[in-house]
Amino acid sequence: DGGITQSPKYLFRKEGQNVTLSCEQNLNHDAMYWYRQDPGQGLRLIYYSQIVNDFQKGDIAEGYSVSREKKESFPLTVTSAQKNPTAFYLCASSNPSGGPYEQYFGPGTRLTVT
Amino acid sequence: GQSLEQPSEVTAVEGAIVQINCTYQTSGFYGLSWYQQHDGGAPTFLSYNALDGLEETGRFSSFLSRSDSYGYLLLQELQMKDSASYFCARGSARQLTFGSGTQLTVLP
Repeated sequence: DGGITQSPKYLFRKEGQNVTLSCEQNLNHDAMYWYRQDPGQGLRLIYYSQIVNDFQKGDIAEGYSVSREKKESFPLTVTSAQKNPTAFYLCASSNPSGGPYEQYFGPGTRLTVT
Repeated sequence: GQSLEQPSEVTAVEGAIVQINCTYQTSGFYGLSWYQQHDGGAPTFLSYNALDGLEETGRFSSFLSRSDSYGYLLLQELQMKDSASYFCARGSARQLTFGSGTQLTVLP
């Protein structure tokens, strides 16, 4: 079955530590995205990548970093510079022929930093 | 997102019809997407409108008026399982910008 996997589902870290969230897709999509969702709010774009070895900042990239070394993988690192990292993180992908409008989402990772 | 406005909550009864409105800023606008998200789950794509008019997919329909910078999602024959958050998302060339979401509660 094709889809997007994110691991782990829940992640706990101490303040001051960097943490990397995994996102893998086997949909053969070129474009991948990272979003952050806070309780009762919409999704805010952190980073996106349209092709391997290329990525662009979204609306809230400060304190985050990404890499895109393989088409299937788009890991997100939450650095210690991110002032309020506790949130629900969602990874998505889309087929460029359809634009960014129809995105497929992974199950998400809930990160708690204390 | 400040570039889209949608109501925060809507309540309706099972079997009814509900309309969720969305207004958006036009800068760099390509089209309007709609997503559904159940509590604790991942968003799932419902529809996309690039042109004016109504798109129908089963019980759900989506409408766009570019001249009014306005769209809506219409849900018919509401079922309990439709209780969820619904997000409109403004599409540009490379990305989506999501609204803050409308929490739909379907009552028996």
